[in-house]
Amino acid sequence: SYELTQPPSVSVSPGQTASITCSGDKLGDKYASWYQQKPGQSPVLVIYLDTKRPSGIPERFSGSNSGNTATLTISGTQAMDEADYYCQAWDTSTAIFGGGTKLTVL
Amino acid sequence: EVQLVESGGGLVQPGGSLRLSCAASGFVFSINCMGWVRQAPGKGLEWVSFIYGGGDTYYADSVKGRFTISRDNSKNTVYLQMNSLKAEDTAVYYCARDPRSGSYFDYWGQGTLVTVSS
Repeated sequence: SYELTQPPSVSVSPGQTASITCSGDKLGDKYASWYQQKPGQSPVLVIYLDTKRPSGIPERFSGSNSGNTATLTISGTQAMDEADYYCQAWDTSTAIFGGGTKLTVL
Repeated sequence: EVQLVESGGGLVQPGGSLRLSCAASGFVFSINCMGWVRQAPGKGLEWVSFIYGGGDTYYADSVKGRFTISRDNSKNTVYLQMNSLKAEDTAVYYCARDPRSGSYFDYWGQGTLVTVSS
């Protein structure tokens, strides 16, 4: 079965750039999406179709997807960005989520 | 404004059944795909099931044969019938909309907690 692999944790200093990776076999041939989830809240879509940002999502969030890796980049990271982030893709009519990455803003 | 409101969660014994509902508003429900995603306590997101506007359904292997997703377009509601529940089905269950049929989930409900325990 298809799997998406994310690092369990990423740390970043305020104002710096955070990169969260998501790896899967030929992931670049699929569309990747990213979700932000803060404690006690529902997930929020932050990137879809590899690079697109929903309305209301700050411009500091961006995405890319090529080869076997999709990447969520947060430029000028703020304290409010501290959360769990999940990548997601589809494989043969099955939605696959990565295991999640806890972003800590130190 | 798009809203998804889940209901029906609760405490159920192993082997029991429960039906979750998700009431949708703020968009044309009948043409949108809808899915259920769950999250066990302290764990990550796990896709459960998906239904196209036309009624085609898909399931995760972990629930296939035990869960049934359905929709009533006249009531703007999607359901998840859960039978033969196991302790490992304990989770918050989220309803979510997929606007492009197998692409991404752009709106999520607040979730409903299902606890399977004796």
